[in-house]
Amino acid sequence: AQSVTQPDIHITVSEGASLELRCNYSYGATPYLFWYVQSPGQGLQLLLKYFSGDTLVQGIKGFEAEFKRSQSSFNLRKPSVHWSDAAEYFCAVGANSGGSNYKLTFGKGTLLTVNP
Amino acid sequence: GAGVSQSPSNKVTEKGKDVELRCDPISGHTALYWYRQRLGQGLEFLIYFQGNSAPDKSGLPSDRFSAERTGESVSTLTIQRTQQEDSAVYLCASSVSGGAPTKYFGPGTRLTVL
Repeated sequence: AQSVTQPDIHITVSEGASLELRCNYSYGATPYLFWYVQSPGQGLQLLLKYFSGDTLVQGIKGFEAEFKRSQSSFNLRKPSVHWSDAAEYFCAVGANSGGSNYKLTFGKGTLLTVNP
Repeated sequence: GAGVSQSPSNKVTEKGKDVELRCDPISGHTALYWYRQRLGQGLEFLIYFQGNSAPDKSGLPSDRFSAERTGESVSTLTIQRTQQEDSAVYLCASSVSGGAPTKYFGPGTRLTVL
């Protein structure tokens, strides 16, 4: 079964600082990988996704993520954080084949606080 | 275009009451999903509908939970005899098809059981 670990429950950074949110997954083959962001009282918004090809993917709002097969990781990065980036971030993994390829497994999320 | 919508946005109910949550998927999306998000937890898969196929109910936590979908449109999630542990945000998502990995989520319904 697939699983996702987000090791950091809560991260605080200063506005303008760089950001890296960690995500490790467990899956038997190459998975589909996603990062979603959830602002207070809002649903989940897709930031970026990896299906295949270039392991560095660009997303919305200046975010990027790198798929590293050898480390089973898909860490999210942003070079300069804005106060509006304060939110909860979820990493998710989906199967890219098989009968259950419609299911996503989510990590427990990382809450990002941005200090002025 | 319009995204996934859910209603109500908030629901407060008393223990033992039944509740019904509604989801309107993106038009043309054949696949629809319900997830539950309990405080401090990630999203838990509840149920999946794809067109007229039998739904995957494997994530429903108990027989108090049920869901219906009419064709490729609205879905309702019903929780009977609510318990305090049912308090959570219930999120609906849709995708172009069941095999399409990208899902679009609604804003959720926050359910509080007193």
